[in-house]
Amino acid sequence: GDSVTQMEGPVTLSEEAFLTINCTYTATGYPSLFWYVQYPGEGLQLLLKATKADDKGSNKGFEATYRKETTSFHLEKGSVQVSDSAVYFCALSESANQAGTALIFGKGTTLSVSS
Amino acid sequence: KAGVTQTPRYLIKTRGQQVTLSCSPISGHRSVSWYQQTPGQGLQFLFEYFSETQRNKGNFPGRFSGRQFSNSRSEMNVSTLELGDSALYLCASTYSPSVSTDTQYFGPGTRLTVL
Repeated sequence: GDSVTQMEGPVTLSEEAFLTINCTYTATGYPSLFWYVQYPGEGLQLLLKATKADDKGSNKGFEATYRKETTSFHLEKGSVQVSDSAVYFCALSESANQAGTALIFGKGTTLSVSS
Repeated sequence: KAGVTQTPRYLIKTRGQQVTLSCSPISGHRSVSWYQQTPGQGLQFLFEYFSETQRNKGNFPGRFSGRQFSNSRSEMNVSTLELGDSALYLCASTYSPSVSTDTQYFGPGTRLTVL
């Protein structure tokens, strides 16, 4: 079945460092890809998404490009801030020809940014 | 527009009891999905409802059930609670249940502790 693999954490960075969190997926169809962020004690917030190959999702300085040839959707940010400390989840949505919109998540990557 | 709301936010139960969690989707959203989040298994899809019908179901035992009302509000029930059911239960809503490009918006979750 479909699956998502993302790099293990925790990732510890200094403020203004460059961030990359790797995410690869396995899917039989043409999924949409998402990055969600979870702050302590809260639910998930959508960070960005891409719905087809070569699409680039971006939000709040974060970017990710849907790479079909490498089945990847790596998250990047040029300069992280302390406020970016959170858990980041890569997810895919099952193909449109299947009933329902179940999200399949990676295990999550904890990011800790220090000043 | 109000976000997804979940009640209660915290619950403590003992083994063998049953519990009901409630979710109110974003106004106009007709699909509600439920997810279980645990440190060991991560985020796992439970089920999805649309128009009061279960459209999709994850790999959970029959002790986990749900329903959706005509106003799109949803409840999930867990009977005969086990220690392993301790988790954060997240509800998500989306407008369309069969379009994988649609974003799922998450509530803050209900933290269930089983003693």
